[in-house]
Amino acid sequence: GENVEQHPSTLSVQEGDSAVIKCTYSDSASNYFPWYKQELGKGPQLIIDIRSNVGEKKDQRIAVTLNKTAKHFSLHITETQPEDSAVYFCAAWEGGKLIFGQGTELSVKP
Amino acid sequence: ETGVTQSPTHLIKTRGQQVTLRCSSQSGHNTVSWYQQALGQGPQFIFQYYREEENGRGNFPPRFSGLQFPNYSSELNVNALELDDSALYLCASSFQGSTGELFFGEGSRLTVL
Repeated sequence: GENVEQHPSTLSVQEGDSAVIKCTYSDSASNYFPWYKQELGKGPQLIIDIRSNVGEKKDQRIAVTLNKTAKHFSLHITETQPEDSAVYFCAAWEGGKLIFGQGTELSVKP
Repeated sequence: ETGVTQSPTHLIKTRGQQVTLRCSSQSGHNTVSWYQQALGQGPQFIFQYYREEENGRGNFPPRFSGLQFPNYSSELNVNALELDDSALYLCASSFQGSTGELFFGEGSRLTVL
């Protein structure tokens, strides 16, 4: 079955800097890769996603890139703000369910 | 548009007891999935319900069971609770046929003592 590895587990950046979180997946049949943001005490919120027929997708300060050959995808956040502090999860869609990475705790210091 | 709502938000049980968690899906969605999120971990798929039937199951024992109702709301039942069942239980709704776009509720935090 699908296995998703996510790095780093923690990431600390200064406000205004960029943050990059990387994930790898094992099942080449996976074709949908969402990213979720989870704030303390809340459920995961879908922030951006990408499908396997696209290499890059951008939404304001957030972008996701996908390399199907290498089976990895990344989340890029530019001009980080303190409200970006949260746990971010990548996931891969396999057989009707999402397989999640272990999460990255992002801390943006003002 | 009404989002996914879950109840209760927090509950405490003792080992061996049974628990029922409830979920109302987002308006327009006909599929409900349940995930278990242990502290510091990513969510893990428990099962999915579509047309009131289980439509896929993860690596969870039979004491985890569910229901879906005609209005697409759902219940997760866990029997014979164990300490390791302590977790955040997340409900996600989607539209069958869409690939992967799941919208999560805020979760039910279960503590088993």
